[in-house]
Amino acid sequence: KQEVTQIPAALSVPEGENLVLNCSFTDSAIYNLQWFRQDPGKGLTSLLLIQSSQREQTSGRLNASLDKSSGRSTLYIAASQPGDSATYLCAVQNSGNTPLVFGKGTRLSVIA
Amino acid sequence: SQTIHQWPATLVQPVGSPLSLECTVEGTSNPNLYWYRQAAGRGLQLLFYSVGIGQISSEVPQNLSASRPQDRQFILSSKKLLLSDSGFYLCAWSSQSLGTEAFFGQGTRLTVV
Repeated sequence: KQEVTQIPAALSVPEGENLVLNCSFTDSAIYNLQWFRQDPGKGLTSLLLIQSSQREQTSGRLNASLDKSSGRSTLYIAASQPGDSATYLCAVQNSGNTPLVFGKGTRLSVIA
Repeated sequence: SQTIHQWPATLVQPVGSPLSLECTVEGTSNPNLYWYRQAAGRGLQLLFYSVGIGQISSEVPQNLSASRPQDRQFILSSKKLLLSDSGFYLCAWSSQSLGTEAFFGQGTRLTVV
């Protein structure tokens, strides 16, 4: 059974720092991996989707990498801003028609 | 473009009352549909998913049920709510023809009192 772990559970950084969020999964035979952002009391916003054949995806200040063989993904946030404060969730899909399996998230606070 | 609608946004219901949460998707056909529940400190728990009309898979045995009466409509129901049903309910969709990226609704905060 696929399990997804995110470390750290919470992170507080000063504005302007570059930071890395980690995600690991137990079954490396994934179809894709997706990173989400969740603001308090809100739904999830998709940030980046990495297909199993890809190594990384970039969107603005965000870069996500995928290493299937080691069961790991990282989300890199450059030049963090207070508006980046949110919970970041990692999720994997084992095939195109199976549901996403989520980690518990990393709660990020960027201090001005 | 595709959009997902989920309602209501908040709901306070007494124990033992029925529940109906609705989710609809626009702008795509034959989406995969999902219901998740998020409880404090427990992450997102998959409740039901559907790959087509009338096809519902249940992940967690409980007093909740789901139905998909139309291609782009997904309904979460209960006949009698329990206190433990309180939580944040999220509907999501994805489509293999659109790269399987999943998109979520804004959620329903359910409080059972």
